[in-house]
Amino acid sequence: QKEVEQNSGPLSVPEGAIASLNCTYSDRGSQSFFWYRQYSGKSPELIMFIYSNGDKEDGRFTAQLNKASQYVSLLIRDSQPSDSATYLCAVKGYGQNFVFGPGTRLSVLP
Amino acid sequence: GAVVSQHPSWVICKSGTSVKIECRSLDFQATTMFWYRQFPKQSLMLMATSNEGSKATYEQGVEKDKFLINHASLTLSTLTVTSAHPEDSSFYICSARGGRQGTYNEQFFGPGTRLTVL
Repeated sequence: QKEVEQNSGPLSVPEGAIASLNCTYSDRGSQSFFWYRQYSGKSPELIMFIYSNGDKEDGRFTAQLNKASQYVSLLIRDSQPSDSATYLCAVKGYGQNFVFGPGTRLSVLP
Repeated sequence: GAVVSQHPSWVICKSGTSVKIECRSLDFQATTMFWYRQFPKQSLMLMATSNEGSKATYEQGVEKDKFLINHASLTLSTLTVTSAHPEDSSFYICSARGGRQGTYNEQFFGPGTRLTVL
């Protein structure tokens, strides 16, 4: 069974710090990796996706992928209280459905 | 682009009634739509996957006769919760995936429907 694991948190960081969110997956055939942010009571919204090993940066967000270690992470620089949310990692193989992790709750303290 | 809408955004109903939730892709053709359920403080749980014009594929443990899914067109899927009971109260979220470049490898989520069954 394909699994995606995340620490449930909560992960607490002070405002302005770097928040590091981690995700591991079991299916070596996975090809696409996504990070979604979900505020309480709202549906998920896509933050970033990454397909290739290495880093991908978009504003304050950096996704890092290491397929050999089956590991994908999301770094949030200069964390803001508005970043406080649950972050969902999702993994997809070719022709496969998305598999979501349980999410990590991030709390950015003012 | 790639906007997905859901209607209604919230619904309260009496036990035993049926509730229909609509999911629409507004600016792209959704070849595949997904229905999720999310209980408070829990992660998304995939209920079923539907492809336009074919029967939905339900995840293990999801009753297909209770949660009826119809994906009649490339822009509309409906989920009907039949004979709803209080334990069906949850946040139902749909997502869509398109058939053209830029929409195939991503899932675009609707805003969700909060169902409360009294």
